[in-house]
Amino acid sequence: DVKVTQSSRYLVKRTGEKVFLECVQDMDHENMFWYRQDPGLGLRLIYFSYDVKMKEKGDIPEGYSVSREKKERFSLILESASTNQTSMYLCASSPTGPQYFGPGTRLTVT
Amino acid sequence: EDQVTQSPEALRLQEGESSSLNCSYTVSGLRGLFWYRQDPGKGPEFLFTLYSAGEEKEKERLKATLTKKESFLHITAPKPEDSATYLCAVRISYFNSGGSNYKLTFGKGTLLTVNP
Repeated sequence: DVKVTQSSRYLVKRTGEKVFLECVQDMDHENMFWYRQDPGLGLRLIYFSYDVKMKEKGDIPEGYSVSREKKERFSLILESASTNQTSMYLCASSPTGPQYFGPGTRLTVT
Repeated sequence: EDQVTQSPEALRLQEGESSSLNCSYTVSGLRGLFWYRQDPGKGPEFLFTLYSAGEEKEKERLKATLTKKESFLHITAPKPEDSATYLCAVRISYFNSGGSNYKLTFGKGTLLTVNP
């Protein structure tokens, strides 16, 4: 079975803090993705990576950056957290075809 | 612009009452359509992949079908444990400096509630 894990299920941070969300997959997938999910807006792609050290902007990259130093690990960075970044963050990985999701991190920025 | 629209937004059924969820899309370069199930507070769980018009996939009480413009998720004799949000996503290919690549565009989902 594919396993995608995320570093935290729940996280509370203050405005202006630098926030790291980590995602690890154990299936040697080349492609990894970060989404945020908000009521009424659905899943929106923030960044993705199709290889180590490669990254591409998704639909809403502003205020975020990513890092992929190893194939199995993909990190999402909020450089200076703001209240409008309060959301559910979902990581996914994929060889080709379907994406497999982690359990999500509920981030609250106060 | 690539779009994926799911309907209805919410659906309430009685246990055993069969129905269908719709996913319509307007995309160029479709390279597959995926159905997911998502329980509250959890990540989406992959259900089906469909690649070409006329294709069908089944799993327990669920059957997914695909035409050139839409997909249906048919739920036969649902049970309360089928209650969840069902998401569809289309896989779109594109080209960049890295060569051929793809991404998924998701619909907003249908919230299904099955009452006992």
